[in-house]
Amino acid sequence: GENVEQHPSTLSVQEGDSAVIKCTYSDSASNYFPWYKQELGKGPQLIIDIRSNVGEKKDQRIAVTLNKTAKHFSLHITETQPEDSAVYFCAAMPNDYKLSFGAGTTVTVRA
Amino acid sequence: NAGVMQNPRHLVRRRGQEARLRCSPMKGHSHVYWYRQLPEEGLKFMVYLQKENIIDESGMPKERFSAEFPKEGPSILRIQQVVRGDSAAYFCASSATSGTVAHEQYFGPGTRLTVT
Repeated sequence: GENVEQHPSTLSVQEGDSAVIKCTYSDSASNYFPWYKQELGKGPQLIIDIRSNVGEKKDQRIAVTLNKTAKHFSLHITETQPEDSAVYFCAAMPNDYKLSFGAGTTVTVRA
Repeated sequence: NAGVMQNPRHLVRRRGQEARLRCSPMKGHSHVYWYRQLPEEGLKFMVYLQKENIIDESGMPKERFSAEFPKEGPSILRIQQVVRGDSAAYFCASSATSGTVAHEQYFGPGTRLTVT
């Protein structure tokens, strides 16, 4: 099955700085890569996704990049704010429905 | 437009009891997924259902766990004879039926099950 590895496990950044989270996947059949943000006590919230026919996608302060050859994808958050503090999960989908998640990155934005 | 709804939000059961978790998908969505999250871990796929059909239950333990999504009403994840190892957060997600947006899964707030 698909194996997704996510780094780092924790990330502390100064407010206004950028945060980068990296993920690798194992199954070359994966063609859909969403990112979720989970705040304490809540469910994962889809924040951005990218499909295998696209190399980069941006939405305001967040962007994702995908390198299918190397089987890795990244989340970039620019101009971080305190409300960006949360746990972020990457995921990959090797078929049409089953998401395989990374272990998560706890992001703390210091004011 | 209401999102995915789950209830109860918190559930406490003694060992040996049954746990029933309910999930109502987003309006217009007919695909439901259940995931389990253990403390400090990512979500693990359990089961994928469409109305009245189990499509893939490969992630669900073969004993004590069952899921259904009836023609009317919410999807139910049922855990019989719960053990302490079942303590986790259980999340339901739903997706739409057609085209490329079928891949996007939206999650509910989860049910946090504690087995004492």
